[in-house]
Amino acid sequence: AQSVAQPEDQVNVAEGNPLTVKCTYSVSGNPYLFWYVQYPNRGLQFLLKYITGDNLVKGSYGFEAEFNKSQTSFHLKKPSALVSDSALYFCAVRDKLDQAGTALIFGKGTTLSVSS
Amino acid sequence: EAGVVQSPRYKIIEKKQPVAFWCNPISGHNTLYWYLQNLGQGPELLIRYENEEAVDDSQLPKDRFSAERLKGVDSTLKIQPAELGDSAVYLCASSIGTGGPGELFFGEGSRLTVL
Repeated sequence: AQSVAQPEDQVNVAEGNPLTVKCTYSVSGNPYLFWYVQYPNRGLQFLLKYITGDNLVKGSYGFEAEFNKSQTSFHLKKPSALVSDSALYFCAVRDKLDQAGTALIFGKGTTLSVSS
Repeated sequence: EAGVVQSPRYKIIEKKQPVAFWCNPISGHNTLYWYLQNLGQGPELLIRYENEEAVDDSQLPKDRFSAERLKGVDSTLKIQPAELGDSAVYLCASSIGTGGPGELFFGEGSRLTVL
């Protein structure tokens, strides 16, 4: 069975400092991995995804994520946080071997709070 | 390009009343999903359609929930009768095909409050 864990309910960081939002996953085969962001009273917006190849993936709004197969992790990072980055972040996974095409499995989310 | 459109955005009803949510996916997206998002939680799949066929409805509480996707485009999710525990956000998403590396595109969601 596929699963995603986001071990931190909340991450607090000062504006201008680097941020990391953690995600670990479990799949039978190899994963497709995704990050989404959700602002209050809005739907989920796609940030980036890992398919194959380079372990460092760059996405929207200056975010990037690093895939680590040995640690089964896909942490979201940004070199310099902005107050406007404050939102709810979701990691999601899909198993490449899943021929039935299961929908994305989401973590429970991590609230990022960036203070000025 | 228009995104996924959902309505209504907000709905407040008394328990035991019926409610329906509507979703119009991105044009050309043959796969449509309904997710349930409880407060402080990640989205959980309720049902997935490929064109007009429901291919995964294992998590849909069929005693009170129903869904349809006529002509493989718009979809409606219905709850009858609603219970207090149904208060949540109902998210619709669409994608090109199923599986593979394609991301899902989400609508703004329909927030249901059951009193």
